[in-house]
Amino acid sequence: QITLKESGPTLVKPTQTLTLTCTFSGFSLSTNGVGVGWIRQPPGKALEWLALIYWDDDKRYSPSLKSRLTITKDTSKNQVVLTMTNMDPVDTATYYCARRGTLYCSSTSCFDHWGQGTQVTVSS
Amino acid sequence: QSVLTQPPSASGTPGQRVTISCSGSGSNIGNNYVYWYQQLPGTAPKLLIYRTNQRPSGVPDRFSGSKSGTSASLAISGLRSEDEADYYCAAWDDSLNGHVLFGGGTKLTVL
Repeated sequence: QITLKESGPTLVKPTQTLTLTCTFSGFSLSTNGVGVGWIRQPPGKALEWLALIYWDDDKRYSPSLKSRLTITKDTSKNQVVLTMTNMDPVDTATYYCARRGTLYCSSTSCFDHWGQGTQVTVSS
Repeated sequence: QSVLTQPPSASGTPGQRVTISCSGSGSNIGNNYVYWYQQLPGTAPKLLIYRTNQRPSGVPDRFSGSKSGTSASLAISGLRSEDEADYYCAAWDDSLNGHVLFGGGTKLTVL
């Protein structure tokens, strides 16, 4: 059974750095073709892709947020960490991590398993 | 504003067939697979269609995807009340060193 779970602070202050951890089970991030990505969703709004890291440590970022994002992986711990600097109230959203698998996915835009999401509010 | 354009809303009555469009450009839909996600109220998105027109195991064949040029469509036949959800298209975009695009989402209401 594949599961992903996001963890991190629920409240951050403007200008602070957000660190989110995705802890997963049921697959390995050392398997050829597998990736883990982050997607966010502001309240009542659409999904927005943030970043993805592949099994070979290839990293992809949203062009509009690239300067603020860093994605890393710890294969031994089955974790992927996303940091986002200089947080602003507009970054208030539910943050999801999701797996890019290999059975169905031929693209970085394919996420076949999702975490439940974690709500992050940016406010002073 | 999403580069993949979806109608904000769609509706139908039980048993009807509804179609949701997703319009892009040559650097995304025109040159790459399209993926569709279903997000039921209060839950995480779920992969509904992969590689433009394929269904993952467990997704009813009432759901189908297609693409023509730079536009894609999701069709739902035999509409059911449990299909009421938000639907998102997604595609890789080859510009700016490549990135993922999601559509703005379509809220489907079953009347």
